[in-house]
Amino acid sequence: DIQMTQSPSTLSASVGDRVTITCRASQSISSWLAWYQQKAGRAPKLLIYKASTLESGVPSRFSGSGSGTDFTLTISSLQPDDFATYYCQRYNTYWTFGQGTKVEIK
Amino acid sequence: QVQLVQSGAEVKKPGASVKVSCKASGYTFTNYGINWVRQAPGQGLEWMGWITPYNGDTNYAQFLQGRVTLTTDTSTSTTYMELRSLRSDDTAVYYCARATAIRISGVVTYTPPDFWGQGTLVTVSS
Repeated sequence: DIQMTQSPSTLSASVGDRVTITCRASQSISSWLAWYQQKAGRAPKLLIYKASTLESGVPSRFSGSGSGTDFTLTISSLQPDDFATYYCQRYNTYWTFGQGTKVEIK
Repeated sequence: QVQLVQSGAEVKKPGASVKVSCKASGYTFTNYGINWVRQAPGQGLEWMGWITPYNGDTNYAQFLQGRVTLTTDTSTSTTYMELRSLRSDDTAVYYCARATAIRISGVVTYTPPDFWGQGTLVTVSS
């Protein structure tokens, strides 16, 4: 069973900071990886799929990279609306989510 | 517009069953799959399984094998998730989500979902 491990679990940052979240798969998933943003009481919102493809309507400050087992989500300049929890998800066979990274205000 | 509308909150006792519905509208129901994802309070996302309304094919997460059943009623564009033998750690918000079937190396899977239901809180408590 493929496990998805995110780091860090919590990240403290300020508006304008560059933020990077990593996701590691326990075995290769090629580029079958997505990233989501979730705010309290809301369903997750898709940001990126196929490791680096930006979902329509998502601001360009979000970007994704990686393939195989190591992936990153980068927010180039953190905005007030970006404080939330972020999840990676593999979907090459069934779905598995990472445990989440909470981005909080420093 | 595409909508997935889920049934309301439930409170169940340990050992009971719950059946949550997800009614789709605004698209051709049989052209997409429905996945179910749950989230315990303060915890992460957990995939439960999917169903392909076109042919009724299902795939369930290993940890739920034997306790969960997904069904569809194409006449009403509704998908149902039934969870049996409820335990306190089944307390969670349950989401349905629409996704597109794809084949990767000959295996059917689903893309990340583009629409989600509003979520249904299921509370298991004695």
